[in-house]
Amino acid sequence: NAGVTQTPKFRVLKTGQSMTLLCAQDMNHEYMYWYRQDPGMGLRLIHYSVGEGTTAKGEVPDGYNVSRLKKQNFLLGLESAAPSQTSVYFCASSQLASGSETQYFGPGTRLLVL
Amino acid sequence: GDSVTQMEGPVTLSEEAFLTINCTYTATGYPSLFWYVQYPGEGLQLLLKATKADDKGSNKGFEATYRKETTSFHLEKGSVQVSDSAVYFCALNRLSGGYNKLIFGAGTRLAVHP
Repeated sequence: NAGVTQTPKFRVLKTGQSMTLLCAQDMNHEYMYWYRQDPGMGLRLIHYSVGEGTTAKGEVPDGYNVSRLKKQNFLLGLESAAPSQTSVYFCASSQLASGSETQYFGPGTRLLVL
Repeated sequence: GDSVTQMEGPVTLSEEAFLTINCTYTATGYPSLFWYVQYPGEGLQLLLKATKADDKGSNKGFEATYRKETTSFHLEKGSVQVSDSAVYFCALNRLSGGYNKLIFGAGTRLAVHP
């Protein structure tokens, strides 16, 4: 049982380049999330999905797009990377939408935009 | 809006010392409260949670009590080990617009030395 996995682990981009981060979960969870983690700011929600084929904006969605074509996968895209998008990106998933539900996190992707 | 405030780190302790990491929150209603831990190079893992006032969450020797009157959820451990060195995140969770909205504090880094 791998839980939540993310690829790649680390990536360096030049300004203006594009890339896609992949998140996969094998727990059959309905809900998936993308966060970014910046020093001194905790984690902030970029986009989320409440089920296959759905996506919605979170707290800091600008400059990112997402897709959830399959229930187990949640992709985060950067169309034109900017230095401000240098961060550590975490994917998470949960089964239910209840206030007490635990989210399960992947190991993260470290992105450096030059 | 909802927010979480944690004590700033880093916190440096000797092995077997007592640990307290302060966490206070601002929220309407009764959100669930969580502590997540991030070990070096890994994603976040749930450490403990509490879903209503006066609940005590506990795991791996760590404890935290949901105090509605002081809007606090302080993390404590009686005797820390070197293996507890990590970043600790306090978070509140509420159901918002059909998904779990997790709001994180900035994180507190703990370093335990022998």
